[in-house]
Amino acid sequence: DTGVSQDPRHKITKRGQNVTFRCDPISEHNRLYWYRQTLGQGPEFLTYFQNEAQLEKSRLLSDRFSAERPKGSFSTLEIQRTEQGDSAMYLCASSKVQGLQYTYEQYFGPGTRLTVT
Amino acid sequence: QQPVQSPQAVILREGEDAVINCSSSKALYSVHWYRQKHGEAPVFLMILLKGGEQKGHDKISASFNEKKQQSSLYLTASQLSYSGTYFCGTAQTGANNLFFGTGTRLTVIP
Repeated sequence: DTGVSQDPRHKITKRGQNVTFRCDPISEHNRLYWYRQTLGQGPEFLTYFQNEAQLEKSRLLSDRFSAERPKGSFSTLEIQRTEQGDSAMYLCASSKVQGLQYTYEQYFGPGTRLTVT
Repeated sequence: QQPVQSPQAVILREGEDAVINCSSSKALYSVHWYRQKHGEAPVFLMILLKGGEQKGHDKISASFNEKKQQSSLYLTASQLSYSGTYFCGTAQTGANNLFFGTGTRLTVIP
C-alpha cells in the first residue's frame, strides 16, 4: 500500500480554463475527502464521499467545482472557468470509517498545487 | 466552526517544551492533531475523543477538556524533527468532516 496519491502534483493554467485533478485513495478506504489549502491556512473542507456517494459539500464551494468518485475508488475534482482566487493546494485524504461518529484518522495525499495566471 | 489555535508561532531550542492550544466555540466529539512540514502533506499525530482523555506517544501528548471544548498538544524535550506547522482538526457530534485551525508554526533550533 503506497498511500494516497494525487495527480498532477503541479498545474499552471490560465484564467478561464478548466482543470481536473485526480486522487487515488488507500485501497479499502471507503471515505474520501477533498480540501483546499492556501498559504498560512489550515486545510479547508470542500467535499467528501462515502464510497461512490457524495454526502456533503461545503457551502463555500462554488458551482464551478464538481467532484466525482465513480465506483467508489479514485476521485476527480474539476474546476471550471478557473479564477485567480482558485490558486491553492488541493489536498485529498482518505479514511476507513465504520459507525456513525467521526473518530478516524485521515491519510493525506501530497496535494496538487494549482496556479491560475 | 473553525477552531482557534494559539500561539500562531513558537521558536524553541532543542530540548525545550511547548504547548499548543486549540479551542472551539462548538461542542466537540473529537479533536485530531496533524503536523505538516513545508511542502508536504499533513501527517496524523493523534485523535482525542469526547470524555476528556489524554493520549501520547514518545514525547508528544495531548489532552481534551470537554467542558472547555479545548485541546492542548504537549511537546516535551523538543527535537529538530518536531519543526513544522501543527493543525488541530475538530469534529462535532454527528459530523463527518473536520474543520482545521489556522495552524501553529513550530521551529526548533539547535
